[in-house]
Amino acid sequence: QSALTQPASVSGSPGQSITISCTGTSSDVGGYNYVSWYQQHPGEAPKLMIFEVSNRPSGVSNRFSGSKSGNTASLTISGLQAEDEADYYCTSYTSSSTRLFGGGTKLTVL
Amino acid sequence: QVHLQESGPGLVKPSETLSLTCTVSGGSISGYFWSWIRQPPGQGLEWIGYSHYSGSTNYNPSLRSRVTISVDTSKNQFSLKLISVTAADTAVYYCAREVPTPYYMDIWGKGTTVTVSS
Repeated sequence: QSALTQPASVSGSPGQSITISCTGTSSDVGGYNYVSWYQQHPGEAPKLMIFEVSNRPSGVSNRFSGSKSGNTASLTISGLQAEDEADYYCTSYTSSSTRLFGGGTKLTVL
Repeated sequence: QVHLQESGPGLVKPSETLSLTCTVSGGSISGYFWSWIRQPPGQGLEWIGYSHYSGSTNYNPSLRSRVTISVDTSKNQFSLKLISVTAADTAVYYCAREVPTPYYMDIWGKGTTVTVSS
């Protein structure tokens, strides 16, 4: 199974909005609403930010939102803050009942 | 709150077996999937596999021939065994709890670094 496709990097200025895409196939992203997103700061463990495409866990800022269209899921961060600078990974359930991660996107806050 | 802690050797020789344990504290091991994920230096996350608390398992196809994940409900622990390791298995290894349907990993351990070298 190949990794889900994410842009290697995105950037934005404080206060702006950015969107990170996560493209798979009908056997994973497109076939199920089981896409989640994780934030990882350097040297730390990943942190769950979005689950089931668009749901936020308790404690995660409402500046983070998720959506999906066809085989592509997206994570949008609005009102960018310096603390949002991190790596972001999507993951999806697959038709083989395995899990597939995206390659990761480095977010730089300018 | 639930806390996960990985433990095991930080150095493994090539061709030997990598063995890690994840201890679950503050909650029960029942009702969840228990997963292992790894991250090679400077690279992205790779899903290794899971064991359901009932004992059913599923693994990354690329690792399936070498990996075993098992749960010990009496100790509130689960473990990872990876045989015939090479330098490519050098990584930070994370354990995580996965919520069944809709399948998301809500709690992660801090990770443990395993280096494969003679």
